[in-house]
Amino acid sequence: KQEVTQIPAALSVPEGENLVLNCSFTDSAIYNLQWFRQDPGKGLTSLLLIQSSQREQTSGRLNASLDKSSGRSTLYIAASQPGDSATYLCAAQYSGGGADGLTFGKGTHLIIQP
Amino acid sequence: DTAVSQTPKYLVTQMGNDKSIKCEQNLGHDTMYWYKQDSKKFLKIMFSYNNKELIINETVPNRFSPKSPDKAHLNLHINSLELGDSAVYFCASSDAKIFLVGRGHTEAFFGQGTRLTVV
Repeated sequence: KQEVTQIPAALSVPEGENLVLNCSFTDSAIYNLQWFRQDPGKGLTSLLLIQSSQREQTSGRLNASLDKSSGRSTLYIAASQPGDSATYLCAAQYSGGGADGLTFGKGTHLIIQP
Repeated sequence: DTAVSQTPKYLVTQMGNDKSIKCEQNLGHDTMYWYKQDSKKFLKIMFSYNNKELIINETVPNRFSPKSPDKAHLNLHINSLELGDSAVYFCASSDAKIFLVGRGHTEAFFGQGTRLTVV
């Protein structure tokens, strides 16, 4: 069964700290892994996409890594700001046919304290 | 320009009614999806639709049916609404890439969601 797990479920840190959000997935046959941000009552904003052949992707203060062999991805946020407060979702796209679409984790609810 | 747009944003209706949610994407993608986000905020795929090929998540009741008038639109029809259908429904799109071991997709883009409340 293909599952995505995110740890921790919630995280609260002071402004300025660097932090890491964790995502693990079963079944190493993923095509890509995508990190999203969801603000309360809003849609999903794509942050980073890592193809299965890649090890990491960077966008501004965000860096996402992928280790297929261990079934893990991390999202690193540098110098956190109150505006980073949101729910962060990790989603895996599995290859090999079957039902298309992304398999999501349950998210990490992040609060950055001013 | 909104890449993936869905309407309405909010929908309140009574049990037993039939309703539709519309979705349009202007990204030129060939695959569109519907996802359901439940009260615990967990997102789950309902359907994917690619070039007239519909793949249905086996857990979706047949009261739900996607309809695609063209490549840029995938509407969601729900018949005989039940209280348990209350959720946020998201439309998304991406491009399919065929490769040796199967089919993968490019970056997915999501609409802003439709909050459906059944009373």
